[in-house]
Amino acid sequence: DQQVKQNSPSLSVQEGRISILNCDYTNSMFDYFLWYKKYPAEGPTFLISISSIKDKNEDGRFTVFLNKSAKHLSLHIVPSQPGDSAVYFCAASARSNYQLIWGAGTKLIIKP
Amino acid sequence: NAGVMQNPRHLVRRRGQEARLRCSPVKGHSHVYWYRQLPEEGLKFMVYLQKENIIDESGMPKERFSAEFPKEGPSILRIQQVVRGDSAAYFCASSKDRENEKLFFGSGTQLSVL
Repeated sequence: DQQVKQNSPSLSVQEGRISILNCDYTNSMFDYFLWYKKYPAEGPTFLISISSIKDKNEDGRFTVFLNKSAKHLSLHIVPSQPGDSAVYFCAASARSNYQLIWGAGTKLIIKP
Repeated sequence: NAGVMQNPRHLVRRRGQEARLRCSPVKGHSHVYWYRQLPEEGLKFMVYLQKENIIDESGMPKERFSAEFPKEGPSILRIQQVVRGDSAAYFCASSKDRENEKLFFGSGTQLSVL
């Protein structure tokens, strides 16, 4: 039972354009969502998070949007840069529970 | 670099052997988490430990798997009598407290069972 789904295994975007990565979840108990970025042969690194009391959180080129009614969140990267090429994981938890539930990841490729 | 250190990076074992994976958390971090990633899947929680205590091992298989985080030394994830299905990337993360966004991950140990 996949509680967190990233339905696009890969995404290719032109440098300078906007990258939009999507994530859907099924568990209504989730109230905290995170995006992690992972390069090959490295561990995931924290990118940005959002709690359910917000619908948007912004940090530089990265913005996460949360639509609670649709149980959907998205990560926007603008403008996209070559160094953004990586696998992006969406993860969720209930704040009372430290266990993170992860999506399968989306491989983002930024074309020069 | 005082990040999370995992070793070995790659571990090859034959079926029936034991695998020991080590994790040294960020200095000053007393919370350690182990996650497993199978090919084409996301990370799956295995166990959460604090110094000398297992807080939550609900994600660990009941048999053959064990974890410890002693007062001194690294955290150890031990897999006895490995089977081919244990082949995966095992990631360790640490945090200073329980806030999830403050998780720092190691580079992982890739376990291959022949």
